[in-house]
Amino acid sequence: GQQVMQIPQYQHVQEGEDFTTYCNSSTTLSNIQWYKQRPGGHPVFLIQLVKSGEVKKQKRLTFQFGEAKKNSSLHITATQTTDVGTYFCAEAGANNLFFGTGTRLTVIP
Amino acid sequence: GAVVSQHPSRVICKSGTSVKIECRSLDFQATTMFWYRQFPKQSLMLMATSNEGSKATYEQGVEKDKFLINHASLTLSTLTVTSAHPEDSSFYICSAVGPSTDTQYFGPGTRLTVL
Repeated sequence: GQQVMQIPQYQHVQEGEDFTTYCNSSTTLSNIQWYKQRPGGHPVFLIQLVKSGEVKKQKRLTFQFGEAKKNSSLHITATQTTDVGTYFCAEAGANNLFFGTGTRLTVIP
Repeated sequence: GAVVSQHPSRVICKSGTSVKIECRSLDFQATTMFWYRQFPKQSLMLMATSNEGSKATYEQGVEKDKFLINHASLTLSTLTVTSAHPEDSSFYICSAVGPSTDTQYFGPGTRLTVL
């Protein structure tokens, strides 16, 4: 399947700081989905981006799809302790999802 | 939103036994269900795609005879880990796709521990 890389693998931030995770692919992505997995939980769908250059916001979260549709980013403004977890990007193929490697976020109170 | 359940949530079994995990879409019909495996601190790995009424499609490296998948109805798919070994211990997650959408709804996962 496709290789979708995410960076960084781990990120520790002080509460209130911003956080960004990047998703990169060597091939053009048809779409990009973002998931959040709380520690011990399962991935929960956050959003899907389809259009080139698309930007969507959910409260403190900003999702962006690159112009070339080969990369995406998730930015969290002023992190809170409730933001801890692993954030995955994924491309929805015709029949399945190709997950990125995930970024594990730790928020220090 | 759509709800997907998994049962059991946790299971501990002895080496050599078989374990069945159920994945149900509770409020929608899922023509396709997916089974994933997650190793500690790693990303989800797709194991197989399950289509109702047909044979599952397995990803490369996944033993079809060891991980038996049955999708007998539009709301139920089962994964049976046969002759389980300690290396099969993992977190297994299913997801389901409803009609007219490509959004996957994930089940809560099943933690399998093989002693």
